[in-house]
Amino acid sequence: ETGVTQSPTHLIKTRGQQVTLRCSSQSGHNTVSWYQQALGQGPQFIFQYYREEENGRGNFPPRFSGLQFPNYSSELNVNALELDDSALYLCASRPPAGGTEAFFGQGTRLTVV
Amino acid sequence: QKEVEQNSGPLSVPEGAIASLNCTYSDRGSQSFFWYRQYSGKSPELIMFIYSNGDKEDGRFTAQLNKASQYVSLLIRDSQPSDSATYLCAVNKSGGATNKLIFGTGTLLAVQP
Repeated sequence: ETGVTQSPTHLIKTRGQQVTLRCSSQSGHNTVSWYQQALGQGPQFIFQYYREEENGRGNFPPRFSGLQFPNYSSELNVNALELDDSALYLCASRPPAGGTEAFFGQGTRLTVV
Repeated sequence: QKEVEQNSGPLSVPEGAIASLNCTYSDRGSQSFFWYRQYSGKSPELIMFIYSNGDKEDGRFTAQLNKASQYVSLLIRDSQPSDSATYLCAVNKSGGATNKLIFGTGTLLAVQP
């Protein structure tokens, strides 16, 4: 148990739709990162939030966006879904003041049809 | 050249043997290194991290780091069938305030009873 909770666990959407994934980070962890893991691949960094601000982004288009709330929970929004967006979406939290390791939640499996 | 490279496997070892998993990385400035275990359909679970050259032991697991050779390895002693999973190597890439992990594609380990 990492203390990081994601919802929903599974989701099926149609191409062109929008989706919101949610993450509740471990208590006291003020940094949240999102990763996308396609089948057979390692996770790829989407972006990171620290104190409600995005402070790092991977090679993902602007239709991937996020939010972090004052309680450090977070959302990942994806607009105009494409078939290639089908993947496991992982949220990871980090403690403040050091600690570069990331503890993942159970993930959300998104299928775009 | 991929930033983090792993042999995809499968690596098959008999129960009780030592499993040796290897990883190379391209960025000489990388500071921290991680091994995650991922069971099929589940999210990655952090099992080891290492920051300094040399060996780090935790139970049946030993992580080895050689920064000069840009090489990280994970040894699993007394391998058990329950160790059968995909092992992901990850490297922390810091850019300003961002700490992001760069993952390899993983090595599938199969421990034969």
